[in-house]
Amino acid sequence: QLQLQESGPGLVKPSETLSLTCTVSGGSISSSSYYWGWIRQPPGKGLEWIGSIYYSGSTYYNPSLKSRVTISVDTSKKHFSLKLSSVTAADTAVYYCARHQWLLPFGDYWGQGTLVTVSS
Amino acid sequence: QSVLTQPPSASGTPGQRVTIPCSGSSSNIGSNFVFWYQQFPGTAPKLLIYRNNQRPSGVPDRFSGSKSGTSASLAISGLRSGDEADYYCAAWDDSLSGPVFGGGTKLTVL
Repeated sequence: QLQLQESGPGLVKPSETLSLTCTVSGGSISSSSYYWGWIRQPPGKGLEWIGSIYYSGSTYYNPSLKSRVTISVDTSKKHFSLKLSSVTAADTAVYYCARHQWLLPFGDYWGQGTLVTVSS
Repeated sequence: QSVLTQPPSASGTPGQRVTIPCSGSSSNIGSNFVFWYQQFPGTAPKLLIYRNNQRPSGVPDRFSGSKSGTSASLAISGLRSGDEADYYCAAWDDSLSGPVFGGGTKLTVL
């Protein structure tokens, strides 16, 4: 059974860089059929796609966040990572990692989510 | 401001049938599949409907999805108190080259 698990600091200071990792277990991160992505959900609000990466390293970002986002993948460690720079309080959210296919939204495999608070 | 539009709330009584609409455009719902998710407080979204009207294994047939043009809807029949949750629609957006979500609908069972 495929599992995804987010990890990283739960508290980040304003103007610093948020860094999270999603570890994939029970399946291959190098599958040619899937993309690996990040989604966030501010407290009490809806879901927002941040970006996605293919195992080869090709990346696709939400234009609204593109200037601040970097997603990378390490297939040997079976994980992919998110970096969001110059964070503000508006970046406080639960961050999820999940899997999807090209031209399709996220499917049935999501991480449990991790709350990141931006505060001094 | 979400790309897909959903009403913020919906309600029904036990046993009733409720419908949650989702409106988009030609670059998303109009040309791609629609997915629906159910989310309980403090948990990750759970896939409820994929490819407009397909149910993953384990999802009761009380849940059904449909799509017409640039709109889609989720129907829940035989409403139960356990169906109280937030429901989100999603679709691929060709302009964004990525998935977009609706703002979510909070379902209350009266």
